[in-house]
Amino acid sequence: SAVISQKPSRDICQRGTSLTIQCQVDSQVTMMFWYRQQPGQSLTLIATANQGSEATYESGFVIDKFPISRPNLTFSTLTVSNMSPEDSSIYLCSVEQGVGAFFGQGTRLTVV
Amino acid sequence: EDKVVQSPLSLVVHEGDTVTLNCSYEVTNFRSLLWYKQEKKAPTFLFMLTSSGIEKKSGRLSSILDKKELFSILNITATQTGDSAVYLCAVGQNTGFQKLVFGTGTRLLVSP
Repeated sequence: SAVISQKPSRDICQRGTSLTIQCQVDSQVTMMFWYRQQPGQSLTLIATANQGSEATYESGFVIDKFPISRPNLTFSTLTVSNMSPEDSSIYLCSVEQGVGAFFGQGTRLTVV
Repeated sequence: EDKVVQSPLSLVVHEGDTVTLNCSYEVTNFRSLLWYKQEKKAPTFLFMLTSSGIEKKSGRLSSILDKKELFSILNITATQTGDSAVYLCAVGQNTGFQKLVFGTGTRLLVSP
């Protein structure tokens, strides 16, 4: 399975600021996925990032709040913009390979 | 609305017990069902099931899918304290890419 490196592992941020999360994969993948897990909740897909095109956002998520970059087939970033305490969550990137879907280590974000 | 329901929500067992975790689903364009173990942040991939009635096994863990009745079970035999975690069920949908819809998870605590 792919090795997925995600950073930062955790951060505490002031409200109104932005945080960019990076995800690096050790092999080329067509699609990369970004998920959010709010406290006590399950994972929800934010958007799908395809290299060379704009990300596709799920209902309830918008590009202005969660801009995504996908400059090549092994790297993606998710920015959480103008943060509020409601953005405190675990953010996870994911890739799919034939045998399953795999996740990075996750970023635990706390907004104060 | 697509949904994945897991039961029980939580479970406490003694070391050595056998547990069965349930996952039922109602989703459009079903492609696969995946099980994950989540201990801290990152879900760890366990199984991906695509065909009914074919058991997948890895050590003390096994899983099977029933596409007619729309459910799957995850069995853990001879449980150990290291099995304590949240177990997540996700259903992959064919939407041009595989979109995962997650259940809320079953929290398993194995006491010594």
